[in-house]
Amino acid sequence: ELKVEQNPLFLSMQEGKNYTIYCNYSTTSDRLYWYRQDPGKSLESLFVLLSNGAVKQEGRLMASLDTKARLSTLHITAAVHDLSATYFCAVGSNDMRFGAGTRLTVKP
Amino acid sequence: SQTIHQWPATLVQPVGSPLSLECTVEGTSNPNLYWYRQAAGRGLQLLFYSVGIGQISSEVPQNLSASRPQDRQFILSSKKLLLSDSGFYLCAWGGNMVGEYFGPGTRLTVL
Repeated sequence: ELKVEQNPLFLSMQEGKNYTIYCNYSTTSDRLYWYRQDPGKSLESLFVLLSNGAVKQEGRLMASLDTKARLSTLHITAAVHDLSATYFCAVGSNDMRFGAGTRLTVKP
Repeated sequence: SQTIHQWPATLVQPVGSPLSLECTVEGTSNPNLYWYRQAAGRGLQLLFYSVGIGQISSEVPQNLSASRPQDRQFILSSKKLLLSDSGFYLCAWGGNMVGEYFGPGTRLTVL
């Protein structure tokens, strides 16, 4: 069974700092997705990574995928308060599995 | 552009009552459709997915069922709700190359 693990589960950052969220998965997959969820809201798609070595960037967020290591990272550069949210990674196709989520709080 | 609708937005139901949540998608044809549940402060659990009309795959055996009577309509049902059915129910479409796009969700409280 495909398992997806994220760490850390909780992350408190100062504005302007950098940090990385990690997503490990247990079986081979060449597709990985990152989502953002604001409190009480639905999920918003951030990145779709479709091949080994894929790297995508949007603003202060950059996601990468290493299918051989079964690892994806979401790197946050110079964090700002607006990035506070819960971030999920997900792996799979029709039977997608989500990580438990990383709750990010960015403090001034 | 594609749009996904869910209703109702919130629902409070007594234990043992029936449930029907509806999801519809606009702007696409023959989408893969998904039902997820998110317990408070937790991650997402895939409940059902459908690759076409009348085709339903169940991920978790429980007292919930799903149906897809039309191409762009996905319904989640229960004959008798349990307290443990409380949660945030999300419908999504897509998959594979595009990932999944989520509806606004239905917040269900079973009392």
